[in-house]
Amino acid sequence: QVQLVQSGAEVKKPGASVKISCEASGYTFTNYYMHWVRQAPGQGLDWMGIINPSGGNTNYAQKLQGRVTMTSDTSTSTVYMELSSLRSEDTAVYYCAREAGESPFDYWGQGTLVTVSS
Amino acid sequence: AIQMTQSPSSLSASVGDRVTITCRASQGIRNDLGWYQQKPGKAPKLLIYAASSLQSGVPSRFSGSGSGTDFTLTVSSLQPEDFATYYCLQHYNYPWTFGQGTKVEIK
Repeated sequence: QVQLVQSGAEVKKPGASVKISCEASGYTFTNYYMHWVRQAPGQGLDWMGIINPSGGNTNYAQKLQGRVTMTSDTSTSTVYMELSSLRSEDTAVYYCAREAGESPFDYWGQGTLVTVSS
Repeated sequence: AIQMTQSPSSLSASVGDRVTITCRASQGIRNDLGWYQQKPGKAPKLLIYAASSLQSGVPSRFSGSGSGTDFTLTVSSLQPEDFATYYCLQHYNYPWTFGQGTKVEIK
């Protein structure tokens, strides 16, 4: 069965960076794009960007350009999302989610809480 | 960026009620729209894709309709497990954008 398993919760200081992993299993990793979505406490869902695990091509939300980097490792079927220059507004649960053609986000990771606090 | 305006932001309903949630896109998005259900502390769950196709395993009381700019999610007979927050998502072009969410509460 398809599973997306994310790394654990993180606590970071303002200005630091965080790198979250999302390990995929149960399907051919390189056949599906992967997205990252975040959700601040009590808020809605916010799309961050997409990576093609096969070629590594990415497309990021403009407001995160310059601070976000998405990468993939096909040898371990894992995608990563790194966010730098963290600020308190980046405190959120971060999700990876698989795109399956016309049914996007058919599978989600369990979420990773990132807390940015001094 | 395409804006998705979802309404209402919250509603109170009883078990057995018919519930309708709408999403309006700021420009035409064909039928590139999905609906998601999220319960507290959980990842969202895909209910409807391509505006009106029921995701495998989702109860048939959920249905979606619309094309272009106006879309609707309907729950024909609300069940206790349906009390949650619902989001629409447009994936017509980047950046993909979600509606603000609709919290469905027990009356």
